[in-house]
Amino acid sequence: DVKVTQSSRYLVKRTGEKVFLECVQDMDHENMFWYRQDPGLGLRLIYFSYDVKMKEKGDIPEGYSVSREKKERFSLILESASTNQTSMYLCASRQGTSQPQHFGDGTRLSIL
Amino acid sequence: AQTVTQSQPEMSVQEAETVTLSCTYDTSESDYYLFWYKQPPSRQMILVIRQEAYKQQNATENRFSVNFQKAAKSFSLKISDSQLGDAAMYFCAYREEGTYKYIFGTGTRLKVLA
Repeated sequence: DVKVTQSSRYLVKRTGEKVFLECVQDMDHENMFWYRQDPGLGLRLIYFSYDVKMKEKGDIPEGYSVSREKKERFSLILESASTNQTSMYLCASRQGTSQPQHFGDGTRLSIL
Repeated sequence: AQTVTQSQPEMSVQEAETVTLSCTYDTSESDYYLFWYKQPPSRQMILVIRQEAYKQQNATENRFSVNFQKAAKSFSLKISDSQLGDAAMYFCAYREEGTYKYIFGTGTRLKVLA
């Protein structure tokens, strides 16, 4: 089974801090995703990576950046955390466009 | 732009009964995929069922089946013989052929009553 692991289930940070959310997958998948999930809004794509060091902006990239130095790891970075970035963050990976996404457990991030 | 609409924020069903969750979408494309994802209270999202738009036959996975109406742009999920473990948030999603981007609906929370 594919395993997508997010480093933290719950995280509390302060406004202005630089925050790192880590995601690791164990199936050598090419594609990795970061989503934000908010009630009534569903999942919205923040960033997508189709290979090492390759990335594309999703629908809501403002205030976020990403890093993919190794194939198995995809990091989401909040450059200067703000309270409106309090949310559930989901990482996903997949092998190729015809394959389904596999999700991690999610990180519930609170910015105080 | 493509959109996905789930008009039922919450649904309830008695154990062992059948329930149908609605999803409509808007696209001008002819080649695409549709998905239903389940997110139980433990939060890991899992794929329930997938439908390729070029296939006329409705997809089925055990107790889960879809009613895909391409002309009407409708993609409903039917859960038969509902079980307590079916209680979850269900998301409908769309992806255009050859692209990476998924468009998700806002979700339907399903409660299963014992």
